[in-house]
Amino acid sequence: EIVMTQSPATLSLSPGETATLSCRASQSVSTYLAWFQQKPGQAPRLLIYGASIRAAGVPGRFTGRGSETEFTLTISSLQSEDFAVYYCQKSDNWPPLTFGGGTKVEIK
Amino acid sequence: EVQLVESGGGLVQPGGSLRLSCTASGFTLSTYSMNWVRQAPGTGLEWVSQIRGSSTFRDYAESVKGRFTISRDDARNSLHLQMSRLRVEDTAIYYCARENYDPSHGYYLFDSWGQGILVTVSS
Repeated sequence: EIVMTQSPATLSLSPGETATLSCRASQSVSTYLAWFQQKPGQAPRLLIYGASIRAAGVPGRFTGRGSETEFTLTISSLQSEDFAVYYCQKSDNWPPLTFGGGTKVEIK
Repeated sequence: EVQLVESGGGLVQPGGSLRLSCTASGFTLSTYSMNWVRQAPGTGLEWVSQIRGSSTFRDYAESVKGRFTISRDDARNSLHLQMSRLRVEDTAIYYCARENYDPSHGYYLFDSWGQGILVTVSS
């Protein structure tokens, strides 16, 4: 089973700063990697799939990069609504479709 | 508008059973792979189960294999998760999620989620 590891666990930043989140796969997942945003009391929201493709309606300040085992999600110029928990997911349609443990982006 | 609504959650004793439902609107559920994902209190997301459009392929996380069964009712456009031999560690919010496919890029994506339903296993 492929394990997805996210770092850091918590990122403390101020509005306007840039957030860089990391996701590492224990084996290559090619570019079958998705990123989700989750706010308290809400369901996850798809941000990025195919490692770098923004989902419909996702602002351009969200950028996904990477392949094989190393991936990053960059959020440029953090807005108040971006403070949330972010999860990566192996998304190659071959279960288990493992999620990473999450990175919380909090206001400094 | 695509919508997924879960129901059937609640409080159950360890060893008991519960059946979750996810009713879809705005699309035909049987033409998509559908998934259950859960989130224990204060923790991250855990993929639980998937059923493909044909229903011939179903898979489960090791933590629920042999205890949970995923199924679909095409006439009611609904997805189900039959949970038996429940454990305290099954306590979580359970989400159903649609797996869509982007043919122009060749990727699968969990593009629609329900609001989630709470299952509490406790004596």
